[in-house]
Amino acid sequence: SQTIHQWPATLVQPVGSPLSLECTVEGTSNPNLYWYRQAAGRGLQLLFYSVGIGQISSEVPQNLSASRPQDRQFILSSKKLLLSDSGFYLCAWSVLLDWGGTEAFFGQGTRLTVV
Amino acid sequence: AQSVTQLGSHVSVSEGALVLLRCNYSSSVPPYLFWYVQYPNQGLQLLLKYTTGATLVKGINGFEAEFKKSETSFHLTKPSAHMSDAAEYFCAVSFYSGGYNKLIFGAGTRLAVHP
Repeated sequence: SQTIHQWPATLVQPVGSPLSLECTVEGTSNPNLYWYRQAAGRGLQLLFYSVGIGQISSEVPQNLSASRPQDRQFILSSKKLLLSDSGFYLCAWSVLLDWGGTEAFFGQGTRLTVV
Repeated sequence: AQSVTQLGSHVSVSEGALVLLRCNYSSSVPPYLFWYVQYPNQGLQLLLKYTTGATLVKGINGFEAEFKKSETSFHLTKPSAHMSDAAEYFCAVSFYSGGYNKLIFGAGTRLAVHP
């Protein structure tokens, strides 16, 4: 069966420090991968998606970047964190299903607090 | 353009009462619709999905949702609320755009259940 791992679960970082969040998927090949951010009291905002190794698309301009060095590894990074980067970050994967749509499966999330 | 609107950011019910969480969508193509649940500091878990066929969809934990094309709605219901149902619920629509299958979420509805 497929599983998704996301770490760390919580992180407190000072403003201006770098960031690296990692997500790996097991049990599937060539998944679509996503990074979402959930700010306090708000819905899910899609940050990045990837359809393959080295293929990254950004949904919104921001202080963050993403990379996909391996098929089932997705990394969210920042060179210098801002206070506004605080939030709950979720990694997800999906595959195209036989009925033509997609279904996403989520990691447990990372609670990032920038101080 | 596809979008999802959840009416009511907070819903409070008594234990044993009917749960009704509202979701309306906008889609230029036949939609694939989902409800996800998120417990505090966790990722999202799929409750149920509508793809094609029967418009009344049953999910986990006693939840169900009905797809009504004429009303562009996909409301989530449960006949009798339990304390363990307290969580945040997200409605989502899946569609194909820009070379990948995108999953767009509503802003979420936080359900509180009181004794």
